[in-house]
Amino acid sequence: IAGITQAPTSQILAAGRRMTLRCTQDMRHNAMYWYRQDLGLGLRLIHYSNTAGTTGKGEVPDGYSVSRANTDDFPLTLASAVPSQTSVYFCASSDSWGTDNGYTFGSGTRLTVV
Amino acid sequence: GENVEQHPSTLSVQEGDSAVIKCTYSDSASNYFPWYKQELGKGPQLIIDIRSNVGEKKDQRIAVTLNKTAKHFSLHITETQPEDSAVYFCAASSRFNRNTGFQKLVFGTGTRLLVSP
Repeated sequence: IAGITQAPTSQILAAGRRMTLRCTQDMRHNAMYWYRQDLGLGLRLIHYSNTAGTTGKGEVPDGYSVSRANTDDFPLTLASAVPSQTSVYFCASSDSWGTDNGYTFGSGTRLTVV
Repeated sequence: GENVEQHPSTLSVQEGDSAVIKCTYSDSASNYFPWYKQELGKGPQLIIDIRSNVGEKKDQRIAVTLNKTAKHFSLHITETQPEDSAVYFCAASSRFNRNTGFQKLVFGTGTRLLVSP
């Protein structure tokens, strides 16, 4: 089934630890995105990638890094996790870097930093 | 910067009633307005969208209206059913950034819709 796969589905992480959230899509979409979802704040963009090999910063990039080595994969790394990074993280993709079409979202990763 | 406000934050209706969720946006350059439905434990899913050259769009029980002059758009769900219960997000496209070659979606803060049998 075409779509976006995120892993893990949930994780409890000790503060200060490094963590990589995985995201893979099989739709050959050019653009990919990472959002965090917090109660009352909606979806906030962390990082994005227009196409393989390029990345950009969103609204809340501090403490996070991404890479886009190929079209399908877009991992998000927390170098040294802090409790404020406790959130639900969603990866999304679209078939153009514009917004002519809607985004396809993954099922999310629930991360708790303790 | 761009901003999208969404109201109400929660909405409770009886099965069969209509539900309306409203959003306003700040960037006059916005030209694409999607709506997403998020069920518990799942990611948001696109349910309907509208572009700036259209005033209204319908798809079965859901419809979206757009007023570009007032910079607001609304989601209308008729004959609501318990399976319509979810969180709904509106979004508006940002102004195209020539430096980054990027045009993002700005999301509202969501509306939790509860449809009671």
